[in-house]
Amino acid sequence: AQSVTQLDSQVPVFEEAPVELRCNYSSSVSVYLFWYVQYPNQGLQLLLKYLSGSTLVKGINGFEAEFNKSQTSFHLRKPSVHISDTAEYFCAVSPWGTYKYIFGTGTRLKVLA
Amino acid sequence: ETGVTQTPRHLVMGMTNKKSLKCEQHLGHNAMYWYKQSAKKPLELMFVYSLEERVENNSVPSRFSPECPNSSHLFLHLHTLQPEDSALYLCASSQGTSGGDTQYFGPGTRLTVL
Repeated sequence: AQSVTQLDSQVPVFEEAPVELRCNYSSSVSVYLFWYVQYPNQGLQLLLKYLSGSTLVKGINGFEAEFNKSQTSFHLRKPSVHISDTAEYFCAVSPWGTYKYIFGTGTRLKVLA
Repeated sequence: ETGVTQTPRHLVMGMTNKKSLKCEQHLGHNAMYWYKQSAKKPLELMFVYSLEERVENNSVPSRFSPECPNSSHLFLHLHTLQPEDSALYLCASSQGTSGGDTQYFGPGTRLTVL
């Protein structure tokens, strides 16, 4: 079985400051890793994903994430946030060869002026 | 056309009503999903269809009944729901079901059961 842990339910940060949203996972099989963002009154939108290759993945809107296999982590970072980044962010894993997605509980990022 | 659309966006129903949620994808994908999103809980996968065939029924109560008449449309029929069924119901689609595929989500239907 797989599980995804997002320990921070809320992260407040000032505009133009850096931010890191943490994601740890547990799995006995190999997985693909994803970060999705959900803006108010919208569905989830893919930010980035790790399938293979370089462990540093760049996504949309200036976000990036690094896959760390030994620590089973896939933390999301942005060097300088904007007010428009205020949203909920979900980490997810998908076991190889399956359609299953296992999501974390989400982290609400609030960017303050 | 936006990728995945859902109607209605909001629905209020009594416990004895019957209603249906509709999802349509304009991406030419082969797989479609229903998820339940409740506050403070991870997204719960309810149903998966691949090429119009149901491949997953994740221990969902029978008061939820899915229907996939073709690869572009997905319905969720609701009857005799309970207040704890109030949630945001999200539809998603993906090209395939072999893993690694990006899922594209609709905006959801906010369901309130009185």
